[in-house]
Amino acid sequence: SQQGEEDPQALSIQEGENATMNCSYKTSINNLQWYRQNSGRGLVHLILIRSNEREKHSGRLRVTLDTSKKSSSLLITASRAADTASYFCATDIGGANSKLTFGKGITLSVRP
Amino acid sequence: AAGVIQSPRHLIKEKRETATLKCYPIPRHDTVYWYQQGPGQDPQFLISFYEKMQSDKGSIPDRFSAQQFSDYHSELNMSSLELGDSALYFCASSITGYNEQFFGPGTRLTVL
Repeated sequence: SQQGEEDPQALSIQEGENATMNCSYKTSINNLQWYRQNSGRGLVHLILIRSNEREKHSGRLRVTLDTSKKSSSLLITASRAADTASYFCATDIGGANSKLTFGKGITLSVRP
Repeated sequence: AAGVIQSPRHLIKEKRETATLKCYPIPRHDTVYWYQQGPGQDPQFLISFYEKMQSDKGSIPDRFSAQQFSDYHSELNMSSLELGDSALYFCASSITGYNEQFFGPGTRLTVL
């Protein structure tokens, strides 16, 4: 990937545990978004965090952004088997209609 | 809520054939993006359109072309198909001023 690099690449946890996935990027960004993809299916938008924000919550999701370290983390609390999927971070550099640059996905497996 | 519609969902073609993928954005979304996701890869930006004009271009082969029509739907035309074109092709849409991109379910293209 030219931009985001997720860490770790694969994560296996027990249902009920929290899952933390990290993403790093190389250039200055305007926004960072997280997406979920179930096996070979569409990309579901989870959350967007702007470059001037440090933390954002949505339900069981918590996203942080550290622009000084060019990194973001996605925390899923109280994980469920249905959270099993691949997760991608994607960045844009701003401007109208800005394209997304994706990092490599993290495969999350939540064991029942 | 209405989502991005893509058709067909699956397409099988022979080498050197042509393919046309269609995308219908969310109503009132004025920008359409095309992404290609190879097996086990992250999505890669191909091309985007704003108000029927090409707004950005990524790593799209010369064999591919795309356009956005007056009703805002978009078509990706692919000619002289190669085995390496086998991938998931996603369309996404957004509204200018709002950076969230919402993705369709994708078209899975298999080139034999």
